[in-house]
Amino acid sequence: DIQMTQSPSTLSASVGDRVTITCRASQTINTWLAWYQQRPGKAPKLLIYEASSLESGVPSRFSGSGSGTYFTLTINSLQPDDFATYFCQQYNSYSTWTFGQGTKVEIK
Amino acid sequence: QVHLVESGGGVVQPGRSLRLSCGASGFIFSDIGMHWVRQAPGKGLEWVAVVSMDGKVQYYGDSVEGRFTISRDNSKNTVYLQMNSLRVEDTAVYYCAKERYNGPGNYYDYWGQGTLVTVSS
Repeated sequence: DIQMTQSPSTLSASVGDRVTITCRASQTINTWLAWYQQRPGKAPKLLIYEASSLESGVPSRFSGSGSGTYFTLTINSLQPDDFATYFCQQYNSYSTWTFGQGTKVEIK
Repeated sequence: QVHLVESGGGVVQPGRSLRLSCGASGFIFSDIGMHWVRQAPGKGLEWVAVVSMDGKVQYYGDSVEGRFTISRDNSKNTVYLQMNSLRVEDTAVYYCAKERYNGPGNYYDYWGQGTLVTVSS
């Protein structure tokens, strides 16, 4: 099975900062990667699909990049609503899906 | 507007069974594969199971294979998760999620609000 490893596990930042979260796959997944945001007590929300495509309605300060085994999610000019946990997910096959362990973005 | 509403969670003893339901609206249910994803308290997301649009194909995560069964009733716009031989480690919020077609595996564009399953004696 493909393993997904996110880093860091926790990230402390201030409003206005630029932050980057990394996700590595244990084998190549081309660009079949999605990013989700989860606020406490809420369901995950889709941000990015196919590694770099921004979901409709998601602010443009969110961006994704990468291919193969290395991916990043960048948030430019962090806003108060962005303090949440972020998960990457690979969807390289229609028989198993795996998530990264999550990155919590907290207020410094 | 897409809505996914899970129900059926609760407290159950180890070894017992529980059936979760997820009612869907706002899209053509019979055209879309559906998933269950769970999240143990304070932990990350774990994919549980998928059922194809016609209900004929199912896949399961290793930790639930042989104990859980996913199914759907397209006439009722509902997907189910029958959970047997429950273990303490199955304690989690269970989400249903709708696929969007993209690439080999598809990702999730909508999630329900989740239903909590607690397995405890």
